[in-house]
Amino acid sequence: GQNIDQPTEMTATEGAIVQINCTYQTSGFNGLFWYQQHAGEAPTFLSYNVLDGLEEKGRFSSFLSRSKGYSYLLLKELQMKDSASYLCAAGSGYSTLTFGKGTMLLVSP
Amino acid sequence: DAGVIQSPRHEVTEMGQEVTLRCKPISGHNSLFWYRQTMMRGLELLIYFNNNVPIDDSGMPEDRFSAKMPNASFSTLKIQPSEPRDSAVYFCASSLVETQYFGPGTRLLVL
Repeated sequence: GQNIDQPTEMTATEGAIVQINCTYQTSGFNGLFWYQQHAGEAPTFLSYNVLDGLEEKGRFSSFLSRSKGYSYLLLKELQMKDSASYLCAAGSGYSTLTFGKGTMLLVSP
Repeated sequence: DAGVIQSPRHEVTEMGQEVTLRCKPISGHNSLFWYRQTMMRGLELLIYFNNNVPIDDSGMPEDRFSAKMPNASFSTLKIQPSEPRDSAVYFCASSLVETQYFGPGTRLLVL
C-alpha cells in the first residue's frame, strides 16, 4: 500500500528557516513532489526530486533519500506569505501521486 | 497560457440531486486527474485518464460516481444521486510528463 507521513502543523518566525519532513512507503516509487496550498486555493507545484540529494530553487530546497524513504522541504528567509499547507506526494506507476495530509505552516511576525 | 479550468467554482445542491463537475485541461497535456479533498481524508485521487482513456478508477468511492473524457480538452465528473458526505472540494489536474497542475477546484456542498 501507499503511506505518506508528515507533521500536521509547524510554526516559525518571519526570517527564520524551517524544515518540513516527509516519510513515505510507496510501491513503484518514481519521484517525490512538494506542493504548496494556500487556504481556499489549489495546490501549486514547488519541487520534484527523482535522484537522491538536494535540489535548490531560490528560498526553497528539497531533499530526497530513496533508501530511507525520506524527504524534506527547506524554506529559508521565511515570509508571512509562506503561511500555507505544504503537501508531500510520492509518485508511482503511470504519473499517479499519493499525497500526505499536508503540514500547515504558520509564520508569525 | 491558460491553466486548468474548472466549472462551476461553487455548487450547492440538495441530497439526491445530480451534480456534474467540468474540467478543461491545459492544452497539450495528455493525462487528466480528478481528486477530492476533505479535512479528514486529505487529497485523494478518484480517477485518471491518459490520452482520454480511463486508466485507474479504483479511487472512485462507489457507483454513484462516474467520469468521462470524450476528447482531449474536456472531462466531467458526475455524482448521481448526491449525498451530504460527498461535500468536499473537487480538483482536476493535468500533466504532460511527471508534474501535475491543478485547477482552482469546485467547492461542493450537498445539503
